[in-house]
Amino acid sequence: QSVLTQPPSASGTPGQRVTISCSGSSSNIGRNSVNWYQQLPGTTPKLLIYSNNQRPSGVPDRFSGSNSGTSASLAISGLQSEDEADYYCAAWDDSLNAYVFGTGTKVTVL
Amino acid sequence: EVQVVQSGAEVKKPGESLKISCKGSGYRFIDYWIGWVRQMPGKGLECMGIIAPGDSDTRYSPSFQGQVTISADKSISTAYLQWSSLKASDTGMYYCARLLHGTSGSRWFDPWGQGTLVTVSS
Repeated sequence: QSVLTQPPSASGTPGQRVTISCSGSSSNIGRNSVNWYQQLPGTTPKLLIYSNNQRPSGVPDRFSGSNSGTSASLAISGLQSEDEADYYCAAWDDSLNAYVFGTGTKVTVL
Repeated sequence: EVQVVQSGAEVKKPGESLKISCKGSGYRFIDYWIGWVRQMPGKGLECMGIIAPGDSDTRYSPSFQGQVTISADKSISTAYLQWSSLKASDTGMYYCARLLHGTSGSRWFDPWGQGTLVTVSS
């Protein structure tokens, strides 16, 4: 059972802005930075955002991350069809002494 | 190019043992922890545990403690995930990934291996 909670789904039309939330606790998001991964259908997960709001080389600036207290969010602006994927938040949990993933959110482009 | 490459798909029977591998290249293998992540069919990502290849210090996530063994051989830049007695519920995709550290307790996995599909069926 995941300790980070995400909405199961989110959707938008091309060009719209979509936001995905990630709710945690004081032992994970409240103390440690959040990361986001994108998993396109049938592929390996890929790092999308690290250290709350940093984008690896090659990730479009349409993707942005933020956090506040024990919650974090991922925003996709200018939604494109190729953004249809599953998105997972993740962080280190100091109480579990383990890396934890969110429950995952499936983004659909209508 | 920094990459981690995993061993191929496996089909096993319940009760059998299995060891899958993850070989790092393009970087100094002992400088970074390696993690193993499970994804059961149609489900989300779960971190099973991490290992420091330099001294084999291993941290298991609570759900996986006692269920699997994570090990590493630094001489050949390879980490392993091992089961002593497989169950049908172990069926899934298993990924390895390099763990990086930043400031403010930030840790993230990058890059990821291509995944090893494990199928356990009688």
